[in-house]
Amino acid sequence: SQTIHQWPATLVQPVGSPLSLECTVEGTSNPNLYWYRQAAGRGLQLLFYSVGIGQISSEVPQNLSASRPQDRQFILSSKKLLLSDSGFYLCAWRGLAGGPNEQFFGPGTRLTVL
Amino acid sequence: GEDVEQSLFLSVREGDSSVINCTYTDSSSTYLYWYKQEPGAGLQLLTYIFSNMDMKQDQRLTVLLNKKDKHLSLRIADTQTGDSAIYFCAEKDSSYKLIFGSGTRLLVRP
Repeated sequence: SQTIHQWPATLVQPVGSPLSLECTVEGTSNPNLYWYRQAAGRGLQLLFYSVGIGQISSEVPQNLSASRPQDRQFILSSKKLLLSDSGFYLCAWRGLAGGPNEQFFGPGTRLTVL
Repeated sequence: GEDVEQSLFLSVREGDSSVINCTYTDSSSTYLYWYKQEPGAGLQLLTYIFSNMDMKQDQRLTVLLNKKDKHLSLRIADTQTGDSAIYFCAEKDSSYKLIFGSGTRLLVRP
């Protein structure tokens, strides 16, 4: 069966510091991968998605970036965090093409920028 | 562009039925989904419905789809305190993405 992991679970960082959040998927090959941000009490905002190694599509211009160095690894990064980067970051992977294409979510990373 | 809208809050008494409503704009959506998010957790897929269906039932959950009005609903029978969570409606767009609503917070009162 497939599982998705996110690391770390919680993070407190000062403004201006760098960021690296990791997402890994097990039990599937060549998944579509997604990064979302959920601000407090709000819905989900799609940040990036990837259909393959090295292929990144950005949905929202900002000081964040994403990379996919391996088939089942998706990394969200920033060189300098802003206060507005605080939120709950969720990684997701997509099911097989041709089916319902549902997305399956990881447990999330709670980021607080002080 | 595509948009999905939900009411923000619903409060019901334990044992009653809950109905969470959603409207969407993309008439070409092939699948629509309901997700549940408990506090501090990721989203859990509850169910989905294919666009050529009007209804789908899965134990206590019933999904109704009205394509003419672009309206989707999730009915939870015999609502329990463990059902308290945020429920997200989503539609599949024409590419690789899901478009999510802003979520409905369900509070179940004892």
